Order: sequence, then structure tokens, then C-alpha cells
Amino acid sequence: KAGVTQTPRYLIKTRGQQVTLSCSPISGHRSVSWYQQTPGQGLQFLFEYFSETQRNKGNFPGRFSGRQFSNSRSEMNVSTLELGDSALYLCASSFGAGQETQYFGPGTRLLVL
Amino acid sequence: KQEVTQIPAALSVPEGENLVLNCSFTDSAIYNLQWFRQDPGKGLTSLLLIQSSQREQTSGRLNASLDKSSGRSTLYIAASQPGDSATYLCAVPISGGYNKLIFGAGTRLAVHP
Repeated sequence: KAGVTQTPRYLIKTRGQQVTLSCSPISGHRSVSWYQQTPGQGLQFLFEYFSETQRNKGNFPGRFSGRQFSNSRSEMNVSTLELGDSALYLCASSFGAGQETQYFGPGTRLLVL
Repeated sequence: KQEVTQIPAALSVPEGENLVLNCSFTDSAIYNLQWFRQDPGKGLTSLLLIQSSQREQTSGRLNASLDKSSGRSTLYIAASQPGDSATYLCAVPISGGYNKLIFGAGTRLAVHP
């Protein structure tokens, strides 16, 4: 069974631009969560989607948004990029009942110049 | 508010040693605890998940224990190898928070030949 895939793997953007990251969960998984990882803050939860509905959100500004499609694939969008948005963005998938093993993708490395 | 702490922050050992990595959490009302491994610049690999009703979970040379009452978990690595070099993270789900995980800062392990 294929693992969690994320595209693109690397991105370079400039301040003020926007970016869209994509995550394809393991086949059959309906929950997708997104995390931001930085050296200073570690891993921080962004949001979780289950069956196309956001059911949990972390403490990030409204510039960070996401959505999930009917095939469980998810995208996250960051508008008006800031230097501090440079990070590794990880998504995780699980079957979806809640509080179960989560499987992470390889991440998207975003650099904002 | 759930907080997760990992000690030590870094560890350097010669090959063959048995290791203990520690994870503590402030809210003992957890559903489970998950240990992950992260290689530099990569995503997270799930190692073990311990349900709250379990005391231990084993996979190969890895053994994780959980003591909810004291808010502690340990990851034991037997006969360490250079390939074990990575950052090890523990995470617990937020009570009632579906798949939202709170992570520790990790223990960076280096095993030298």
C-alpha cells in the first residue's frame, strides 16, 4: 500500500506570495492533519480534515487555510507569505476514527525569501 | 493544557549500548502515546503506539512503556546501531481532539561506530 505523498517536495517563494501544498493520504484513510515544523517551535498542529470537514484547528493566523476533497486528498494554502512561514510542512493520515496511529508524509520544505 | 517534554535533548553513544529515551506529559488523561523517528529533513516514521490500557509495546529492538499515573513513557532501544541515529519524538493526542497531536521537542540520537 502506498504511503502518504506530498507535493511539491521543495518550494521557494518570496514574501507576499501565496502557496498551495498538496497531500494524498494512504488509500482508505479519511483523516488528514497538517503540521508545521520549525527549529524554534518544533512540530505544531495546523488543522485536521475528516470527510471534507475541518474538525480541528491549531493557533495559526487566517492566512493558513486548507480543504479536503471527496477522495480524501487535502490541500493547504498560505497567503501573503512571511519570512517566518519558512518551515517543513508535514501531513499525516489516519483511518479517521480519532486518536489512532498516524502516518506521516515526507513533507514539503518551504523557503520564503 | 497538555505539555510534552523529552529528556535528554541530545544523546551520543557508542554502538552496542542499550538506550532509554524519556517522555513526560502533564495531562494523564491520554488515549494513547505514539513514538516517532525522524531522519534529518525527512518526514516522521511511526515506531510504536501504546494505548492507554497497555503498559508496554514492542517492535524488534524497540520497547516502549507507558505509565499514565506518573505521566511518563520510555522508549528503550536495545543494542544500538549507527542506523538508529535520528531524532525520536513522542506525541499524545489532545483529549477530545480527534487526531490532533501534541509533540515533544525530541531527542536527537547519534550512535557512532
